[in-house]
Amino acid sequence: DAGVIQSPRHEVTEMGQEVTLRCKPISGHDYLFWYRQTMMRGLELLIYFNNNVPIDDSGMPEDRFSAKMPNASFSTLKIQPSEPRDSAVYFCASRQGIQPQHFGDGTRLSIL
Amino acid sequence: GQSLEQPSEVTAVEGAIVQINCTYQTSGFYGLSWYQQHDGGAPTFLSYNALDGLEETGRFSSFLSRSDSYGYLLLQELQMKDSASYFCAVTNNLFFGTGTRLTVIP
Repeated sequence: DAGVIQSPRHEVTEMGQEVTLRCKPISGHDYLFWYRQTMMRGLELLIYFNNNVPIDDSGMPEDRFSAKMPNASFSTLKIQPSEPRDSAVYFCASRQGIQPQHFGDGTRLSIL
Repeated sequence: GQSLEQPSEVTAVEGAIVQINCTYQTSGFYGLSWYQQHDGGAPTFLSYNALDGLEETGRFSSFLSRSDSYGYLLLQELQMKDSASYFCAVTNNLFFGTGTRLTVIP
């Protein structure tokens, strides 16, 4: 089992640029979650999908953020345009039913 | 709304026992989970309580009292590698506490 795979591991870009984070969940998992972690706000849920359908996106900070899950094995989180306050570690996680979540290694995003 | 409270920091001696508390307020409670996160790493699942009582997994145990909206994580025979942040989570892990940073000292 390869685990949840996120790319890139690190991203440094200038404000105003578009940023795309990618996630491949564990095969067979029907839930996928996107979290953001900062020192100030801790681990925040941004959005989650069930069977590729967005269920709750109330945690998405604003319209600059969007997430898609075109199929069971791939999801993206996009920020356009990016701002310095978006700098954080972004985690993707997946799970099967009510089983525990498995987290990816995260993407450390720095917006200059 | 949802809220979870944990102590921000705990320090304990190697070989000792430490308890990390979590009080929660949530609508729609499905159980209390605990995760460990080392610096620079990802959260990893430790334990889950759906019902009242104690769950034991090796050196780690977790307790839940639904009537008190309270739970704790108990770490025994502390090792230096246990130094990490520990998070409680509710509502099928949609909401996480702010985390407790555990420092184990020799």
